[in-house]
Amino acid sequence: AQKVTQAQTEISVVEKEDVTLDCVYETRDTTYYLFWYKQPPSGELVFLIRRNSFDEQNEISGRYSWNFQKSTSSFNFTITASQVVDSAVYFCALSEAGGRGSTLGRLYFGRGTQLTVWP
Amino acid sequence: GAGVSQSPRYKVAKRGQDVALRCDPISGHVSLFWYQQALGQGPEFLTYFQNEAQLDKSGLPSDRFFAERPEGSVSTLKIQRTQQEDSAVYLCASSLGLAGYEQYFGPGTRLTVT
Repeated sequence: AQKVTQAQTEISVVEKEDVTLDCVYETRDTTYYLFWYKQPPSGELVFLIRRNSFDEQNEISGRYSWNFQKSTSSFNFTITASQVVDSAVYFCALSEAGGRGSTLGRLYFGRGTQLTVWP
Repeated sequence: GAGVSQSPRYKVAKRGQDVALRCDPISGHVSLFWYQQALGQGPEFLTYFQNEAQLDKSGLPSDRFFAERPEGSVSTLKIQRTQQEDSAVYLCASSLGLAGYEQYFGPGTRLTVT
């Protein structure tokens, strides 16, 4: 079973629109970490944010904001006033820390959401 | 500072050839990870090291895949007798620790097996 589901395969918006990328995760661990990465056309994955399972406080960083809800196992990412430079594939990822040593640290990625922002 | 570097960036191999992919992690990062990314998919875990110890290799798809990190720094992923299904981007990442630490990724090696 997929541990991380990104149901939106592709999203297209026009510049200055707000856009939300959905992420739903599945884990039995009580301690875990969630991440968002950006993969621009150049291909290199760029770290955006990390949240741990004990901190549900939403976070805002400039035009980016993240909504973490344990009740729905979701960690959604919103870009406000999108720009052409935001065009990329965005990945949500999960890392479990429940004590099973062999799984520590490995990231489980979703399939990604291709975001295209048109001028 | 210098990020994670990988070489070569592109590799074309004929089916049956052996290939070696290199990863230079960020200096001081004890953990090193290898992922495989097929076209249009998210990265899939292959293996990881803490210093020179390979702690998990459960993601390696077959015994043709082998990874090493003999001195706890540079790592090499070797694929023997390459097959067409091995064509993918191989990503290396490093981090300061294991659970909960962000991983910093290199640019990847795009392997094409013809």
